[in-house]
Amino acid sequence: AQTVTQSQPEMSVQEAETVTLSCTYDTSESDYYLFWYKQPPSRQMILVIRQEAYKQQNATENRFSVNFQKAAKSFSLKISDSQLGDAAMYFCAYRSPILLQGAQKLVFGQGTRLTINP
Amino acid sequence: DADVTQTPRNRITKTGKRIMLECSQTKGHDRMYWYRQDPGLGLRLIYYSFDVKDINKGEISDGYSVSRQAQAKFSLSLESAIPNQTALYFCATTQPPADTQYFGPGTRLTVL
Repeated sequence: AQTVTQSQPEMSVQEAETVTLSCTYDTSESDYYLFWYKQPPSRQMILVIRQEAYKQQNATENRFSVNFQKAAKSFSLKISDSQLGDAAMYFCAYRSPILLQGAQKLVFGQGTRLTINP
Repeated sequence: DADVTQTPRNRITKTGKRIMLECSQTKGHDRMYWYRQDPGLGLRLIYYSFDVKDINKGEISDGYSVSRQAQAKFSLSLESAIPNQTALYFCATTQPPADTQYFGPGTRLTVL
C-alpha cells in the first residue's frame, strides 16, 4: 500500500520570504499523480498544485512550485513571496492511476501547518 | 454557488444516536468519496461510489454506511454514533479521466 509522509508538523516563514514544505511517499508503481492541497481555517480543501509522475518537468502555479524527485520519492512544495493568506494546513497526497479497488482514492500525508509572520 | 455542498456543517450528537451526513454536487461527476479527517492523521477514505449502483468500502468503513441516492447525492450514516467518530468529514467528487478531486466544505461532527 502507498504511504505519504510529511515530516514537518509545523513551519513558519516571514511574509515575502520563501518556504519549502517536504513530502515523501512510498510506492511500487511507476505511474501516479501527486497533489498538494491547502486547508485554511475555513476547513475547505483547496487544490494547490498537481504533478504527473511521467512528466519530468516540475509543476508550477504562480508562486507555488514543486521539486519532484521520482527516484528519491520526494515531492516538496515551494511557496515564493509568502503572503498572509498562505497560512494554512498543507497536505501532500498520492493517487494511483490504476483502476483497482480503491482506485482514484487519495492517500494523504499528516499535514504541515504553515504560519506566516508579518 | 458551491459545486460540492455538505449538510450539516456542524453537528453535536450523543453516543448511540443515528446520524446522516449529506453530500450534493452539481459538477455532474460520477465518482464520489467520503473521507474522515483526524488531527495528525490526514484524511482517510471511508467509502466511495463510482456510480449509483456501485458502492465500495474504503480503509475505515467499520461503523459507517452510505447511500448513493442519485448521481448528485451521496450520504454517509453513522448507525450508532460513538465518541471516537468525532472528526471532520469530507465529501469529494471526481470524473475520469480527470484526476483532480473536488472537496466539499466539510462537516464537523462531535459525538458526546
